[in-house]
Amino acid sequence: KAGVTQTPRYLIKTRGQQVTLSCSPISGHRSVSWYQQTPGQGLQFLFEYFSETQRNKGNFPGRFSGRQFSNSRSEMNVSTLELGDSALYLCASSLGGLRIPGETQYFGPGTRLLVL
Amino acid sequence: AQSVSQHNHHVILSEAASLELGCNYSYGGTVNLFWYVQYPGQHLQLLLKYFSGDPLVKGIKGFEAEFIKSKFSFNLRKPSVQWSDTAEYFCAGSGNTPLVFGKGTRLSVIA
Repeated sequence: KAGVTQTPRYLIKTRGQQVTLSCSPISGHRSVSWYQQTPGQGLQFLFEYFSETQRNKGNFPGRFSGRQFSNSRSEMNVSTLELGDSALYLCASSLGGLRIPGETQYFGPGTRLLVL
Repeated sequence: AQSVSQHNHHVILSEAASLELGCNYSYGGTVNLFWYVQYPGQHLQLLLKYFSGDPLVKGIKGFEAEFIKSKFSFNLRKPSVQWSDTAEYFCAGSGNTPLVFGKGTRLSVIA
């Protein structure tokens, strides 16, 4: 079956702009999580959605937001972009979340965002 | 603030050597712990997770980790590494707080 897909794969924006990234989970998966990866800060958790509801949120400013649609596809939005938002944004999906024994999550290839 | 520490930044091992990567977390109470791996050119993968129960957790690819509450540790182990285990390994933890990752340990396995 198809894996987690993320679009676009690469993106260049300028400071002050906003950006929307998309994540399509594996078919049947209802949990989608977002992460930011940078050389300086490493991996950081952004948020998790399950059945259109935000279930967990990391320590990011309100400029970072997300949503999940009824088909489980998810988007994340960053408004008023800053240079420090340049990063690889990863999305992962799972059936119901990692608390379920035996369940794992699958990551997408990421969207590489460069803010100039 | 809650934190996860990985003290080894780069580990170099010969094939067939045993592996132990350290991970320490800073918070008490209920804790959920994870190990992730990122192979060169591949997507991030979840190796194993701990929520409760047996403190010895077995994951994919022959990896295991032991949750030692008294030491606030969740070290990753593998009895015999292969060249294909060359990757970056991340420990992560959460409790009543958002998930926090360690800085990662780069493992290089040489023939």
